[in-house]
Amino acid sequence: LAKTTQPISMDSYEGQEVNITCSHNNIATNDYITWYQQFPSQGPRFIIQGYKTKVTNEVASLFIPADRKSSTLSLPRVSLSDTAVYYCLVGPLGAGRRALTFGSGTRLQVQP
Amino acid sequence: SAVISQKPSRDICQRGTSLTIQCQVDSQVTMMFWYRQQPGQSLTLIATANQGSEATYESGFVIDKFPISRPNLTFSTLTVSNMSPEDSSIYLCSDSLQMNTEAFFGQGTRLTVV
Repeated sequence: LAKTTQPISMDSYEGQEVNITCSHNNIATNDYITWYQQFPSQGPRFIIQGYKTKVTNEVASLFIPADRKSSTLSLPRVSLSDTAVYYCLVGPLGAGRRALTFGSGTRLQVQP
Repeated sequence: SAVISQKPSRDICQRGTSLTIQCQVDSQVTMMFWYRQQPGQSLTLIATANQGSEATYESGFVIDKFPISRPNLTFSTLTVSNMSPEDSSIYLCSDSLQMNTEAFFGQGTRLTVV
């Protein structure tokens, strides 16, 4: 599985856009990029998944450049409730049900 | 989506004792996964639990310490045996309903060993 590198922590203020970048230089052709969010005292929750270019849902956008060696999770207009740890995961789909490999994650702190 | 209920949500246990954590899924699933999350750290996979077969453990985790049961397609238990303070962690169970989609997690069990 491709190793991922993320900033350990980030700070932001309410209403700002937050971009969290993840590096995955060894991503394989059949790997997808998936982001999870974890609040204190809760299990991780799926946010978004993509393979290339841009994916957007009601929660976030995911930007993936052509070389796919990195990806950026974009959270528009964050609020205090977006304070959480964000994990970037890279791995193949269609490989059967399998466990996830979590990196260190990025701890986002949103201030009022 | 899948709803995973995990209990207890937290417990404080004496060293040398054992605790069994239960995980109930609202749908039938083939595979379930157990993770450990030490304070301030990321998640580490303990084992994969298939119904009808023995669990598969990751390096550093052994069945004698973390026995797992999977009696049916909606339920699994993880026991933390002969606990020591080093076992103080959050334990989470997880599943994904389909091969290509998101994984679902229980809310975790916060274990403190004193």
